[in-house]
Amino acid sequence: DAKTTQPTSMDCAEGRAANLPCNHSTISGNEYVYWYRQIHSQGPQYIIHGLKNNETNEMASLIITEDRKSSTLILPHATLRDTAVYYCIVHSNYQLIWGAGTKLIIKP
Amino acid sequence: EAGVTQSPTHLIKTRGQQVTLRCSPISGHTSVYWYQQALGLGLQFLLWYDEGEERNRGNFPPRFSGRQFPNYSSELNVNALELEDSALYLCASSLGHTDTQYFGPGTRLTVL
Repeated sequence: DAKTTQPTSMDCAEGRAANLPCNHSTISGNEYVYWYRQIHSQGPQYIIHGLKNNETNEMASLIITEDRKSSTLILPHATLRDTAVYYCIVHSNYQLIWGAGTKLIIKP
Repeated sequence: EAGVTQSPTHLIKTRGQQVTLRCSPISGHTSVYWYQQALGLGLQFLLWYDEGEERNRGNFPPRFSGRQFPNYSSELNVNALELEDSALYLCASSLGHTDTQYFGPGTRLTVL
């Protein structure tokens, strides 16, 4: 079973920041939080990952709470091309256990 | 840098047939993973290969098998195809088993 819980779907206006929450209350101390997205049945695209510190790259920012039980992926200026299913995953050893993800729809 | 590549892109088979899917990892990556994604569902872990050896497999029957070659490319074989094997088959690679997995575009298999 997936170790994460995400909302089924979310909407965001184009140009606004999209904030995608994820709960991972059973995460262990050495497990990373990973985010991927999948656009229309293509291969999943890696976005970002983190252990306990906040992380930022050219695609997004990842905010992890101090207790590590939840995190938020932030797409700072969403575009229509960001419409996809976003997966929050706890990475344990080799294992990526995928949940159902959040369907993010960016509206014009 | 070239990403993970998979072939073929699409495949149509009939029940009972056998199929082989191929994956080439990112250069320098030694771990290769296979996942199955049925339509509208999440990814299910199939197999993990590292340094030519099968390291772990998911909850799939033995008719799902594969191998990894000395150049780290990999094949996934599915024997005695069933209708429910219709899915997107995804390959991913990573430097090591604790590193980020990067995915290929997938092979869409349809079993009639």
